[in-house]
Formats: sequence, structure tokens, C-alpha cells
Amino acid sequence: DTAVSQTPKYLVTQMGNDKSIKCEQNLGHDTMYWYKQDSKKFLKIMFSYNNKELIINETVPNRFSPKSPDKAHLNLHINSLELGDSAVYFCASSPRDRGNYGYTFGSGTRLTVV
Amino acid sequence: AQSVTQPDIHITVSEGASLELRCNYSYGATPYLFWYVQSPGQGLQLLLKYFSGDTLVQGIKGFEAEFKRSQSSFNLRKPSVHWSDAAEYFCAVVPWAGNKLTFGGGTRVLVKP
Repeated sequence: DTAVSQTPKYLVTQMGNDKSIKCEQNLGHDTMYWYKQDSKKFLKIMFSYNNKELIINETVPNRFSPKSPDKAHLNLHINSLELGDSAVYFCASSPRDRGNYGYTFGSGTRLTVV
Repeated sequence: AQSVTQPDIHITVSEGASLELRCNYSYGATPYLFWYVQSPGQGLQLLLKYFSGDTLVQGIKGFEAEFKRSQSSFNLRKPSVHWSDAAEYFCAVVPWAGNKLTFGGGTRVLVKP
């Protein structure tokens, strides 16, 4: 069973469209995250939820809206997509004892805006 | 400001040679420390982590890392690299009192035959 699964794996869409990326973890972790990896491979945190509560919200445009229906799911909705949104988006999760167990990442969603 | 730095953007190593990747951090207290690997087109895989205790940490795929408090470093090593080790390697840290995992800029490792 996949620990952290993201769908879709690839997403190609036109500017101005609205799209969603879904993430699910079956590890029983308390906290989930969205990271963005740009074309230079820099990884930067976007959001973090702990038991459905938003705890980290970096300087991300309002067009990005995370939603966590339960602690096993964290979805990312993006409105009015722009060319600069093209990147790989990674979902991750961690347990309460993150130092001992680390963070588990999904395989990523490659978003291409044309 | 809190930061994590990987000074080497690219490293090229011959197959069978040793490899060392550098990581330095700047945090008030020793954070949790991690090394992740990303193979081309793949996700992030945890190689090893350091929380406390023995400063030499063993990980998967034959990797090890050494924590040096005096140098604020957590360097990754492998005695003999294989062609399959060609990938992007990321050092990452989490403050002990927080849960925001921050990555270094990454080091791309190329392996020559």
C-alpha cells in the first residue's frame, strides 16, 4: 500500500483554469504538508495542517487554497492558474514524533500550465 | 535567520569512488536533521535522520552522515558510489520546537563510469 498518494501524477492545463490536486496518507500521521519544487529543484513549504487545522501558511498567493476534510487527506485547489505555477507539488505527512520518524513524501504532481 | 545550506550545487564522482555531500545549518538550537534523495522524475526518499545520540548515523543504501555540533554540519558520505546513486540529494532540518521542514538547495550527483 502506498503511504502517501497524490493524484494526478501529471496535470497539464491552460492559463486561467482551476485545478485540484488530492493527497491521502494511510500512515495515521497527524500532520500533512504541501511543498512546491520549482524548475531549479528548490523545495519550499506552502501549507501545513495538523488534524484538519491550518498551522503553517507561507506567503502563497490567495489563488492557492488547501482543504483538509480529515487528518488523512489534504487537497490543494488552485484558481486562475498562471504560467509561474508550473512546478512539481509534493504532499507529505509526519507523525507527532517527527524527529524519530521523519516526513514521508508522495511521489509528486507535475503541473504544467500552458 | 534560520537556514540550511548545501554549498555544492553539482558533484561529479567516478563509480566506486567515495562521496561526501556537505550540509550546514544555522539554528539557535540543534534541529532535527535529515537527508533525502530524489532520483530523476521521482519523489523524495528518506536516507537517514539525526535527532540525538551517536553523531554518526547509518542510513539506507550504504549512506552515513556525521553530525558535528561545533561546525553546525551534517555531512552525508558513501564509501563507494554506484551508478544508481546519481540523483539530487537534499539536506533538511526541522527546529526541535516546530514542525516546518526546511530544505537546502540540493546537490546534484553525477556518477561517471
